Amino acid sequence: QKEVEQNSGPLSVPEGAIASLNCTYSDRGSQSFFWYRQYSGKSPELIMSIYSNGDKEDGRFTAQLNKASQYVSLLIRDSQPSDSATYLCAVDTGRRALTFGSGTRLQVQP
Amino acid sequence: SAVISQKPSRDICQRGTSLTIQCQVDSQVTMMFWYRQQPGQSLTLIATANQGSEATYESGFVIDKFPISRPNLTFSTLTVSNMSPEDSSIYLCSVEAHRDSTSGANVLTFGAGSRLTVL
Repeated sequence: QKEVEQNSGPLSVPEGAIASLNCTYSDRGSQSFFWYRQYSGKSPELIMSIYSNGDKEDGRFTAQLNKASQYVSLLIRDSQPSDSATYLCAVDTGRRALTFGSGTRLQVQP
Repeated sequence: SAVISQKPSRDICQRGTSLTIQCQVDSQVTMMFWYRQQPGQSLTLIATANQGSEATYESGFVIDKFPISRPNLTFSTLTVSNMSPEDSSIYLCSVEAHRDSTSGANVLTFGAGSRLTVL
């Protein structure tokens, strides 16, 4: 079982819709969770972090964490074509380096 | 947030040769991390580079193949030795950008990466 699992996609949504990206993790002791965005040919950049159960909102982005279910999600409201990228879920398992999922490719259709 | 400079940004190498990638940070950092991203894949941690001690390698990665230097708190190198086409990948240097004040978690930031193609 992979430590961090994501659906590879592509996830295709129309412009203006809500994109929902999901991630599960295997280490129940994990405490910190991150979403990175990676445009093609570029390095990953941090979008959001979440540490407590529940929702955390930042602009059009909402991260959701359910530690009991070992589940993290990212919602993107009012999706724009510029949101088209690969979204990487990353987990801090206490080793200071992050463990990444395989990423979900999002396509926002204009 | 730390600014990372990596070089080379890309290179085409011949099978059997070695290439050293440099990572320079604009501030002192305790740990530097080297990741590999193979085509269409996610990031896999190669090793953690610690100043003043041996690097810590992840399962599947060995020092003979990926020797790492960390001479000071702002610089590290990763060498990819005796390259084969399977080593064609993007190699990324990463450091802790900051520590979250609430959870204490370390947030990583990445260099632009070094894209290696081995023929």
